[in-house]
Amino acid sequence: EVQLVESGGGLVQPGGSLRLSCAASGFTVSTNYMTWVRQAPGKGLQWVSVIYSGGLTYYADSVKGRFTFSRDNSKNTLYLQMNSLKPEDTAVYYCARGLVEMATIYFDYWGQGTLVTVSS
Amino acid sequence: QSVLTQPPSVSGAPGQRVTMSCAGTSSNIGAGYDVHWYQQLPGTAPKLLIYGNINRPSGVPDRFSGSQSGTSASLAITGLQAEDEADYYCQSYDNSLTAWVFGGGTKLTVL
Repeated sequence: EVQLVESGGGLVQPGGSLRLSCAASGFTVSTNYMTWVRQAPGKGLQWVSVIYSGGLTYYADSVKGRFTFSRDNSKNTLYLQMNSLKPEDTAVYYCARGLVEMATIYFDYWGQGTLVTVSS
Repeated sequence: QSVLTQPPSVSGAPGQRVTMSCAGTSSNIGAGYDVHWYQQLPGTAPKLLIYGNINRPSGVPDRFSGSQSGTSASLAITGLQAEDEADYYCQSYDNSLTAWVFGGGTKLTVL
């Protein structure tokens, strides 16, 4: 059974850092596209970052240069290192598995999400 | 402002048919990138509902269907049920932004 479990969220001050984790089971993260999507309180979904099976990463402009998406194949776990956090980064962060369909990626399994609050 | 435009809300009575739209541009849906749909029940993570414009994952009832034409896509729900009350999001890829993009979401209310 495919499962994704996020952790690491919490309250952090503006300018601070946080590292989110996403532990996967039931499949191998290194052979799949994986993504982070966030949802600000009461708002819609926003794509944050993707890592390809080959290790290539892409980021939304709003987080480029501040966030880093990585994975530990031995632990089958993904990480999102978030630096220079801003109040507008406050959101529930979901990790999800991506599958390719006609040059797009769709997200078939999602974790339960972890809340990040950036506030002084 | 979302790259893909969805109506903020739609509503319908139990048993009725509702549709919701997802309008894009020539750099996303109009460029041939598929549209995917997600259902988000209150307080839960999104769930894949439709992928590749028209395909339903295993377990999704055939009351849900998707279509795509030109620069827009639509989600239809027939035989509306109270449990369908949720937020619905469309998603695609935008080649000018080099980013995966979501619509702003449509809140479905079952009257």
